[in-house]
Amino acid sequence: DQQVKQNSPSLSVQEGRISILNCDYTNSMFDYFLWYKKYPAEGPTFLISISSIKDKNEDGRFTVFLNKSAKHLSLHIVPSQPGDSAVYFCAALLGYAGNMLTFGGGTRLMVKP
Amino acid sequence: NAGVTQTPKFRVLKTGQSMTLLCAQDMNHEYMYWYRQDPGMGLRLIHYSVGEGTTAKGEVPDGYNVSRLKKQNFLLGLESAAPSQTSVYFCASSLGLAGVPRDEQFFGPGTRLTVL
Repeated sequence: DQQVKQNSPSLSVQEGRISILNCDYTNSMFDYFLWYKKYPAEGPTFLISISSIKDKNEDGRFTVFLNKSAKHLSLHIVPSQPGDSAVYFCAALLGYAGNMLTFGGGTRLMVKP
Repeated sequence: NAGVTQTPKFRVLKTGQSMTLLCAQDMNHEYMYWYRQDPGMGLRLIHYSVGEGTTAKGEVPDGYNVSRLKKQNFLLGLESAAPSQTSVYFCASSLGLAGVPRDEQFFGPGTRLTVL
């Protein structure tokens, strides 16, 4: 049973608009969450993260929101650009389990010019 | 600075054959990881290493073995390949700051393996 789920396999948005990618988790012991971005034929690269003691973290065009009571997090990209087209993975970390990441299945974002 | 490199990039095996995937990093990282990526499943941890000479099982270790004889290299072995092991394999490394979430993992470009 997947502990981290991304229920939307794909998302298409217009350039300049907001992209919202969602992620749900089941393990309330996760204490850190990360988003990775992956282009075809490349490995994932770290994008942004958030600690479970916060509800928002912002880095330029990227903002991650965490709702612990709902066990839900989201990544907002504003404004979306064609270069943002990629697969986005949500990942969760158990602090006491070293650095073992649990990944969601990914969402493919397509930003149309 | 090459970062994390993986060899080979592509491989086709027949059921029962064996092979070794090589991961190398030049960042002097302590921790190294092997993941597999399957459609809709995200990345799942196979094995990992917290230092030279040490290895540990991840989420899906069955059918795989690993070795970390040198700090910069992490090898993933398939002794008797099965079609269920058809996947894209990613290696990653990190500084090795246990329990520190900002210990970012850096990924290699992946190896696409097909087992017929």
